[in-house]
Amino acid sequence: EVQLVESGGSLVKPGGSLRLSCAASGFTFSSYSMNWVRQAPGKGLEWVSSVSTVTTYKYYAASVRGRFTISRDNTQNSLYLQMTSLSAEDTAVYYCARDRYGGYELDYWGQGTLVTVSS
Amino acid sequence: EIVLTQSPGTLSLSPGERATLSCRASQSVSSNYIAWYQQKPGQAPRLLIYGASNRAPGIPDRFSGSGSGTDFTLTISRLEPEDFAVYYCQQYGTSPSITFGQGTRLEIK
Repeated sequence: EVQLVESGGSLVKPGGSLRLSCAASGFTFSSYSMNWVRQAPGKGLEWVSSVSTVTTYKYYAASVRGRFTISRDNTQNSLYLQMTSLSAEDTAVYYCARDRYGGYELDYWGQGTLVTVSS
Repeated sequence: EIVLTQSPGTLSLSPGERATLSCRASQSVSSNYIAWYQQKPGQAPRLLIYGASNRAPGIPDRFSGSGSGTDFTLTISRLEPEDFAVYYCQQYGTSPSITFGQGTRLEIK
């Protein structure tokens, strides 16, 4: 069974940093591109970042480029999101999501981890 | 950047009725790059449709997708109580890689 479990969300002050993790199991992690998608309270979905299988390619939404860094460790079956210079606009549930193999959509999602940026 | 606009914002229907949800792209999109998701309160999104018309594994056949170019549709043939949720369309592009529509809320009338 495919499982994605996010962790690391918490309350952080504006300007602070946070590192999110996503532990993957039930599939060959190294064979799939992975993504972070966020959802502000009561709002829609916003894609944040993606990373290819061996980190050759990394992509970011304009809203986070230069502040967030995506990475992965295929030996640990883990995905990460390092977030810096956080502001209230970054408050959201952050989901880890898997690319469908050979496709252009996200076929498995974790349950999310909440990041709250507030003083 | 391609913008996806979903309509209506809210759709009020009764169980057993047919639901038609629209997703319009600001420019032509390959059908391969269109997907639909369902999200219930407090849950992660679930992939329903990929490639505009292909059901994801385990998705009931009352869900169907269609469309091409700039206009795409998700149809739920006969609504079940568990279908009342928020639905998002998604497209894959270049920059940004993935964009979502703003969502359609399907509520019980």
